[in-house]
Formats: sequence, structure tokens, C-alpha cells
Amino acid sequence: DAKTTQPNSMESNEEEPVHLPCNHSTISGTDYIHWYRQLPSQGPEYVIHGLTSNVNNRMASLAIAEDRKSSTLILHRATLRDAAVYYCILRDAGGGADGLTFGKGTHLIIQP
Amino acid sequence: DAGVTQSPTHLIKTRGQHVTLRCSPISGHKSVSWYQQVLGQGPQFIFQYYEKEERGRGNFPDRFSARQFPNYSSELNVNALLLGDSALYLCASSLEGARSTDTQYFGPGTRLTVL
Repeated sequence: DAKTTQPNSMESNEEEPVHLPCNHSTISGTDYIHWYRQLPSQGPEYVIHGLTSNVNNRMASLAIAEDRKSSTLILHRATLRDAAVYYCILRDAGGGADGLTFGKGTHLIIQP
Repeated sequence: DAGVTQSPTHLIKTRGQHVTLRCSPISGHKSVSWYQQVLGQGPQFIFQYYEKEERGRGNFPDRFSARQFPNYSSELNVNALLLGDSALYLCASSLEGARSTDTQYFGPGTRLTVL
């Protein structure tokens, strides 16, 4: 899977929007962009994924750059429960058997 | 609905021993994957099983093995434990796992400490 680059940590205030960036300049045309997060003392949980178009679900929005070399996970109104490590992961369309390749992720700190 | 369950939650072993970790996937899911998470790092992929067959393997030594049973539950075995095997072992289940868009649902993990 292609490599992703994320900031080590970010800090935001409760009830404000949070924009978590991810760079993936070597992304291939068949790579999906996935986001997972890991709350303290828990296993990772799925957040969202997309290929080319922006995506929305109940947890977050995913904004994908036109050249697909970067993407941004948007939490519209952060709560204390959103404090977690957020992982941006690329997966080839046919690479389901290869498992998820996690980097170090971004440690998101939410201030009350 | 029950999520992915793992047992035991914590385990302490000494070097050279072997360990068996267990995972029950979400009902209806046929694929199970195992990951190792060392403190301060993201999870690393160990194995994926689907319909009792190994379908994917990460870069881990042969001391690590796994199997999947007819009810889709799975065991991860680690022989000749080393201090460096101390980690959180995560199990994830998915419907089939063949497509990269299949969501993986993770259990809470088993914390293994090797002394």
C-alpha cells in the first residue's frame, strides 16, 4: 500500500470543527482512502472511506483533493469523546487480503 | 448485537513459553484478521483468514501461526515467546475481507506481557 503522512498531533477545542490532514502523494488510481480512529484503551474503529468524491456520514466528512494526493477528515463539532488517534490508510481496490497498513496516526487532543 | 470478542483480556507469560489468543467475530462475518500493536505504534497486520484458509500474511516470523474454525472463530498462537512480543493483540472481523472497501471491526484486544 502507498505511504501516508499525517501530523503527529493536533489540538482543538470542544464544539469546534476539526480538520485532520493526510498527504498521500504516491496514491495510485485504485487506492481507496480509509480513516480509522482508536480511542484510549480500545481497538480501532472505522470512520469513513472514499475514492474520488467527497463523502459524508454520521461521524465525519472526507474531503479528497482533486489530484487525490491529499485528503482531510472533518469532524464538524468535536466532543471530548473524539479524542483519539486518527489513522489515514490507503488500500488498493484488490488488496483486501493484505490487511490494513497503519502508520503512527494523528493524536487528536480536545480541550474542554 | 455483540461485537468482536477476544479472550483473555490480559495475559502474562515468560520468555520461551507459548500462548494462544482467541477471537469470536461478529455474527455473519466470515473473515478474521490479526494485528499486533506495540506501545506507541499503530497496529501491524499479522494474518487474515477467510473460510478457514489463510488469505494474507504480514511480515512476522514462523513462531506466529493462526487458524480459523468452522464457526469462523479464530486462534492466534505464538511459540517461543520473546520480550519483544509484548503488545496488544487485536482481532478484526469483516464480512468477507476480499474487497478493500470491506470495513474491519476490531475487538478490544488482548494485552500480552512477556517477562
